[in-house]
Amino acid sequence: AQTVTQSQPEMSVQEAETVTLSCTYDTSESDYYLFWYKQPPSRQMILVIRQEAYKQQNATENRFSVNFQKAAKSFSLKISDSQLGDAAMYFCAYPDVFSGAGSYQLTFGKGTKLSVIP
Amino acid sequence: DVKVTQSSRYLVKRTGEKVFLECVQDMDHENMFWYRQDPGLGLRLIYFSYDVKMKEKGDIPEGYSVSREKKERFSLILESASTNQTSMYLCASSTNTEAFFGQGTRLTVV
Repeated sequence: AQTVTQSQPEMSVQEAETVTLSCTYDTSESDYYLFWYKQPPSRQMILVIRQEAYKQQNATENRFSVNFQKAAKSFSLKISDSQLGDAAMYFCAYPDVFSGAGSYQLTFGKGTKLSVIP
Repeated sequence: DVKVTQSSRYLVKRTGEKVFLECVQDMDHENMFWYRQDPGLGLRLIYFSYDVKMKEKGDIPEGYSVSREKKERFSLILESASTNQTSMYLCASSTNTEAFFGQGTRLTVV
């Protein structure tokens, strides 16, 4: 199984400021997706942003963007203009391909708890 | 909207009971997953299924089994619940580019 490492168990950011969450992963594949998921206190996990490894351009979704460094196997999430609603657990995830059926299993990091200070 | 529904939000069961956690998805996804979430440990994969009647062990399958008799439904079974299975359980279904999660079941075994 591949590994996904989030080295920051907790982080905090002032409202309206920018914060970057780190993620590194290990893979021998050349083409894959990477994901950031958000889990607010209500517990429903939702997809924040997705990056395709073969695309050189970093993915962006409104205030959320990634810094994808393929050679370094690094995939950080930047949140700009932080809002109170951004407070949540954030998980980095890598789809570990299950070759038996062309499907995959998602491997998650341990998560980063983000607090937003008013 | 894709919907993944878990049958219970909270459950309290006694040690030794057989426990069923049900998950239903409405998007005809082939892949379905059961994760366990514990503080400091993140999400750990228990079992996944890539087709009806097909299942594969994840990282922590011990003490659990699964059933997928229909494409939309994936059940997690605790054959004999133990206190160390007290946890949050998350079900997900997925395409090749995105996974969708249920709201989670908080299981307490007493």
